[in-house]
Formats: sequence, structure tokens, C-alpha cells
Amino acid sequence: SQKIEQNSEALNIQEGKTATLTCNYTNYSPAYLQWYRQDPGRGPVFLLLIRENEKEKRKERLKVTFDTTLKQSLFHITASQPADSATYLCALVWGSGAGSYQLTFGKGTKLSVIP
Amino acid sequence: EAGVVQSPRYKIIEKKQPVAFWCNPISGHNTLYWYLQNLGQGPELLIRYENEEAVDDSQLPKDRFSAERLKGVDSTLKIQPAELGDSAVYLCASSLIRTDTQYFGPGTRLTVL
Repeated sequence: SQKIEQNSEALNIQEGKTATLTCNYTNYSPAYLQWYRQDPGRGPVFLLLIRENEKEKRKERLKVTFDTTLKQSLFHITASQPADSATYLCALVWGSGAGSYQLTFGKGTKLSVIP
Repeated sequence: EAGVVQSPRYKIIEKKQPVAFWCNPISGHNTLYWYLQNLGQGPELLIRYENEEAVDDSQLPKDRFSAERLKGVDSTLKIQPAELGDSAVYLCASSLIRTDTQYFGPGTRLTVL
């Protein structure tokens, strides 16, 4: 069966350190993989997208890697700040025909950055 | 640019009562999605519209859930009758047709007593 797993439900790190979140999947052939941030009481907000033929993507303090052989994506936040505390969701994007796409989300990892 | 608007933000009802949620997508976005999110879980797709057409409603429990998107803009999701297990956050998202980045609204938190 298809499965998306994010490595842990919660991750606590010290301010200034690099946070690394993991997303593993089985029995999917995604076209892309996305990472979203979700704050309490709000909807997910898109952060980064990485395609199957890309190894790495960066945006400011964020870096995403995508290994289709390992079926894994790593999401890094460097120089983490308390404001980075949130739940981070990975989502597999796969074609559903006629040029449309669907997202399947993982459960998310709740990151807490401790001052 | 205004984001996806949802109302109400919170709703408390007793079981067996009906409830409706409303979504106004980002202007120009042809594709609209309704998701259900349980506590500690990721969003799960209920239904996807492209313009007025429901192109994927395979995960919508059709015995009690219904949705419509008249005129291809706003959408309403209804539950009748509500059950205790329907307590969750209902998220609406929109995107340009045939692209993949979705923009989410704040959600409606439903509590069924």
C-alpha cells in the first residue's frame, strides 16, 4: 500500500542549530515533492517544491533534497529561530490524468526551536 | 491579493444536525479542493473541482457529505447528518488549473457533540 512517513511527530532543537526533517514514501512515483508549513489554527503554506530530476533546492535558510532511489526527502532549516516553530508537512505530488495533480500529505513533524 | 476565504472559522453542533462550510478561492483559480484534517494528521482530500465539475470525489462519503461549486467560483461543503467522528478541521484550497501549488484557507474547525 502507499505510505508517506515523516520521521517523527515532534522535534526539539536549540536556536541556531540546523533542523533536519525526513519524509519517506513507498509505492508512489511522485512527479514532485513539496514541503508546507502549518501554524496552529491556520492552513498549510507552501514553502518549496522539488522535482524528481532535481537533487537539491534552496530558498534562503531552507534546503530540500530528494532521493528517488531511497524514496526520501530531507528538509533542512539552517540557523533555526524560534519563529520557525511550526508543523512541517511533506506532500507527494502525482499526476492524476489530463494534466491535473493531486497531493498526498504526510502527518507532519512539529518542530520546536528552543531559545 | 486576497487569499482563500473560509467561513465559519468555528462551528459547534450536536450530532445528527446539518452543517455547511463555505469557501471563496483566490480570484482566477479554477481548481478548488476540500480537505479534511484530523488532529495530528495531514490533510486528506475529499473532493476536487475543476471549474464547476467535480473531477475527483472518490474520498467523499456520499451518504452524508455533499458539495457544490455553482458558477465555478465559491463552493459549499455540507454534512447531513453530522456524526461525532466528523469533528475535524475542514480546509479549502485553490490552484490555477493544471498547476500543482495549492493555496489553503484557514479552515473551519467543526466540533460535533
